[in-house]
Amino acid sequence: AQTVTQSQPEMSVQEAETVTLSCTYDTSESDYYLFWYKQPPSRQMILVIRQEAYKQQNATENRFSVNFQKAAKSFSLKISDSQLGDAAMYFCAYCDSGGGADGLTFGKGTHLIIQP
Amino acid sequence: NAGVTQTPKFRVLKTGQSMTLLCAQDMNHEYMYWYRQDPGMGLRLIHYSVGEGTTAKGEVPDGYNVSRLKKQNFLLGLESAAPSQTSVYFCASSYGAPNEQFFGPGTRLTVL
Repeated sequence: AQTVTQSQPEMSVQEAETVTLSCTYDTSESDYYLFWYKQPPSRQMILVIRQEAYKQQNATENRFSVNFQKAAKSFSLKISDSQLGDAAMYFCAYCDSGGGADGLTFGKGTHLIIQP
Repeated sequence: NAGVTQTPKFRVLKTGQSMTLLCAQDMNHEYMYWYRQDPGMGLRLIHYSVGEGTTAKGEVPDGYNVSRLKKQNFLLGLESAAPSQTSVYFCASSYGAPNEQFFGPGTRLTVL
């Protein structure tokens, strides 16, 4: 079974600075998808960014970008110019490409604190 | 367009009671999922459905049953609630894996 590990239970960053959240995963598959979801105090799960394993180019969405290292099975999230609204739990998630009908496998999350 | 909705938002049960959580989506998605989230844990998949009339077990299915009689609805049932089922339950839907899953707002369930 696939596993996703987030080794940082909590991270803190000053507003306007850059922070990187770590994620590693374990899989025997060669084709898969990786996601970062944000969960603010409202509890709503919000997709931040998605990466297809077959794409070498790292995904980017405005201030959010990933560093995808397939050989190392690493998928970190970089948040640039941190804003107060970025404060939330961040979850890394994995999905097989072969349908992935069995859903997402999530890490335990990283609590991101933004210091004003 | 309401997206994914869940009913109820909160519920308190006594051990042994039964209840059904309702998930509804108006995006015409084929795939629907039920997850649970416990403190210090990510979401874990309970059951899922790849289409109307189909269901399958996820990672933690024991103590739960599901039904998908209509494409837009996915029901999660607890036949005899236990304190270990105290959790926040999320429903999600997608066009098909591995596309983005859209999540409902969650249901906080407490079993005393």
